[in-house]
Amino acid sequence: EAGVAQSPRYKIIEKRQSVAFWCNPISGHATLYWYQQILGQGPKLLIQFQNNGVVDDSQLPKDRFSAERLKGVDSTLKIQPAKLEDSAVYLCASSLVVTTEAFFGQGTRLTVV
Amino acid sequence: SQQGEEDPQALSIQEGENATMNCSYKTSINNLQWYRQNSGRGLVHLILIRSNEREKHSGRLRVTLDTSKKSSSLLITASRAADTASYFCATDDNFNKFYFGSGTKLNVKP
Repeated sequence: EAGVAQSPRYKIIEKRQSVAFWCNPISGHATLYWYQQILGQGPKLLIQFQNNGVVDDSQLPKDRFSAERLKGVDSTLKIQPAKLEDSAVYLCASSLVVTTEAFFGQGTRLTVV
Repeated sequence: SQQGEEDPQALSIQEGENATMNCSYKTSINNLQWYRQNSGRGLVHLILIRSNEREKHSGRLRVTLDTSKKSSSLLITASRAADTASYFCATDDNFNKFYFGSGTKLNVKP
């Protein structure tokens, strides 16, 4: 069984530029999560999808971050414009439903300079 | 905001010793999970305990859950250098939202 795929693995951009991350969850998983993990901290939930509907986006900075889940499968997370404090690892995860274990991708390490 | 808080933030032990880390959370939950993260890698699921369970075992791992105190503990017995990692608890609440705690950084010295 293929795992959660994320791309790119690394990205370096200048502040005020835009960037997009892509996630392909495990086939059949209804729930998809995007987390932001700053070095030395726990993952912070940005947005949680159930199929293509949003369950929680209370911690998503909506003035600059946006996310969508296409046809309830793949998802993209966009930052526009980026700030220095957005430097972090962005993790995508999926689960069959929210009450089962989540499988994580390897993450995208974003550096904003 | 984070749902869970792990304690201690960092733990350093000798190989062969047991490691215990604790997690406290704020709201009612459906289940609690523990994950491991090696440096620079993704998170790996270790164990899930449901709100109506009090204790669960998996290999060298033992997890307890006390819903009256809103707390859980993870015990790793006979630790190995390969157990060096950060450990996180994660909860899904009654609104089906899935949050992680701040983590415990475990260092097992050979």
